[in-house]
Amino acid sequence: DAGVIQSPRHEVTEMGQEVTLRCKPISGHDYLFWYRQTMMRGLELLIYFNNNVPIDDSGMPEDRFSAKMPNASFSTLKIQPSEPRDSAVYFCASSRSGRAANIQYFGAGTRLSVL
Amino acid sequence: GQQLNQSPQSMFIQEGEDVSMNCTSSSIFNTWLWYKQDPGEGPVLLIALYKAGELTSNGRLTAQFGITRKDSFLNISASIPSDVGIYFCAGLDSGGGADGLTFGKGTHLIIQP
Repeated sequence: DAGVIQSPRHEVTEMGQEVTLRCKPISGHDYLFWYRQTMMRGLELLIYFNNNVPIDDSGMPEDRFSAKMPNASFSTLKIQPSEPRDSAVYFCASSRSGRAANIQYFGAGTRLSVL
Repeated sequence: GQQLNQSPQSMFIQEGEDVSMNCTSSSIFNTWLWYKQDPGEGPVLLIALYKAGELTSNGRLTAQFGITRKDSFLNISASIPSDVGIYFCAGLDSGGGADGLTFGKGTHLIIQP
């Protein structure tokens, strides 16, 4: 398996622009997680899905952030409008049900810079 | 929410030395995980612990699930240059299904030549 695939790897945009990050989870995994990593706050959970349904979005910073999972093999995290403080590395992770649900596999991340 | 305190924040060691790091939480966890993150990559799972008192090894790495269920330790023996990176502890307090992991802030391991 190719693992969790995220795109793009790097994104540079200007303040106010819309940003869309993409994730393809590992085939057969029914949990998908979006995290944000910054030096100040470390790794923070933003939202997670189970069987394409959002379960907990309490970590989403504000209404400018939205996430969707239209099918089992694709998810997006959108920021509109983007702000400089959104600059961070965004990770997607996936896991299976059951006890293995605790083991999350991470993608390589998208490094976002908002100027 | 839960707080995870990971220490030390960074370690500067010589190649061949042993390394110890730990995590403590303000509440009980049912699962402890240890991840390693290389520069420009996502965290990769090293060891998973599911029972209080459990001691698990993965090559030169050994991790333990504390008896109180509020702490965990990771040891690396005879460090080598490729051990450089950021090590994260992560905990889960959910009993069965998946949930977002609570991560420590990480321990930066730097190996001096």
